[in-house]
Formats: sequence, structure tokens, C-alpha cells
Amino acid sequence: QKEVEQDPGPLSVPEGAIVSLNCTYSNSAFQYFMWYRQYSRKGPELLMYTYSSGNKEDGRFTAQVDKSSKYISLFIRDSQPSDSATYLCAMSARNSGYSTLTFGKGTMLLVSP
Amino acid sequence: EAQVTQNPRYLITVTGKKLTVTCSQNMNHEYMSWYRQDPGLGLRQIYYSMNVEVTDKGDVPEGYKVSRKEKRNFPLILESPSPNQTSLYFCASSANREVRTEAFFGQGTRLTVV
Repeated sequence: QKEVEQDPGPLSVPEGAIVSLNCTYSNSAFQYFMWYRQYSRKGPELLMYTYSSGNKEDGRFTAQVDKSSKYISLFIRDSQPSDSATYLCAMSARNSGYSTLTFGKGTMLLVSP
Repeated sequence: EAQVTQNPRYLITVTGKKLTVTCSQNMNHEYMSWYRQDPGLGLRQIYYSMNVEVTDKGDVPEGYKVSRKEKRNFPLILESPSPNQTSLYFCASSANREVRTEAFFGQGTRLTVV
């Protein structure tokens, strides 16, 4: 079983829709959860960062972590064509001040006008 | 402007010809990493550095070398490139001491080895 699973998509939605992007994981030691957005031909850009379980909101974006289910989500409200990108989840386990990141393979999101 | 700068952005080379991809950050970050991104495989860490003169292997270090002589620079060296190192490479940096969130990524270097 892969450590981090993420549906590659593409996920196509109309402008204004609520988007739900998800990752599942198997390593119960993961405590830090990140979401990155990657536009075509660009480097990943850190969107959200959460520790342990719970929700975190930043503008139109909400990150949700359910450690009991080993499941994380990113919700995008009022989606815009500019949100069209690949979204990567990433996770790490705290380990003596340094932890490598494990990335999902990314979900491609297409928001049509 | 805070940024991670990689050069070159695109590179085509031949098998066995040594090359270096440079990475520089202007944020005084301690942590720097190199990743490669391949279709169907996602981002995989090659090497990382926790500070000057401190480097360690990531998940896929074979065929690569790095050095960290200055805090701002973290070059990736391919001593004898092979076609299976054709990939999109990213350098990243972060300052978080407790958890490794890759805060900033470079724009990427697309390498083709023929």
C-alpha cells in the first residue's frame, strides 16, 4: 500500500462550484499535513499547513484532517478558473527536528468559466 | 522578493557529460532540498541539507551529488548523467526548525539526457 494516495483526476467543475480534494495515507506517524498548488510549468506553492487533526481556513480554502480515518481534504469555495492547477498533498512525521515530506501524486483540477 | 532561483531552466545534455544545476535562496533559510518530479511518480526527494556542510540522502539519491558550502546555495551535481535522470527538478527551501514544510520551491529545471 502506498503511503499517500491521491486521485490524479482530472476533476472538472464549473466556476463557482465547491471543490473537494482528498488524500488518504497509511502512516499513523504523520502529524503535519500540507497542500500545495502547482500551475503548469511552475514549482509547487504552499497553500495550507495544518498540524494534527482539525480544520484550518484561509480565505476560500479550508483544510481538514481526520487522523482517525487517515484522510485529509482541501475544500475550495467559489472556485475560479485561476484555481485550475494540480493540487499536491504532503505529509510529515516529526522526528528529532527533521522529517522528510511524503507527497501525493497530485490531483489536476480544471475550473471552467 | 523572497525566492528560490534555479538555473538553468531547461537543459539538454548527453549521457556521461557532467552537469551542475544551481539553486540559490535569498531568505536565509537553513533547510534546502532537491526533488525530481516524474509523471506517475510524483515528487521524490533526492537530497536535503539542514545547514551549511550538513547534507543527507533523500529517497532517490543514486547518481546525484550535492554540496552546501554557503547557506544560500545548494547545487545539484550529476557526475555522469544517464537517460533515466531525464526529469523535472525542483529545489526547495524552508526555515521551520520543527517541521519540514517546504515553504518555497524554485521554478524547476527540465533536464533531458540523450
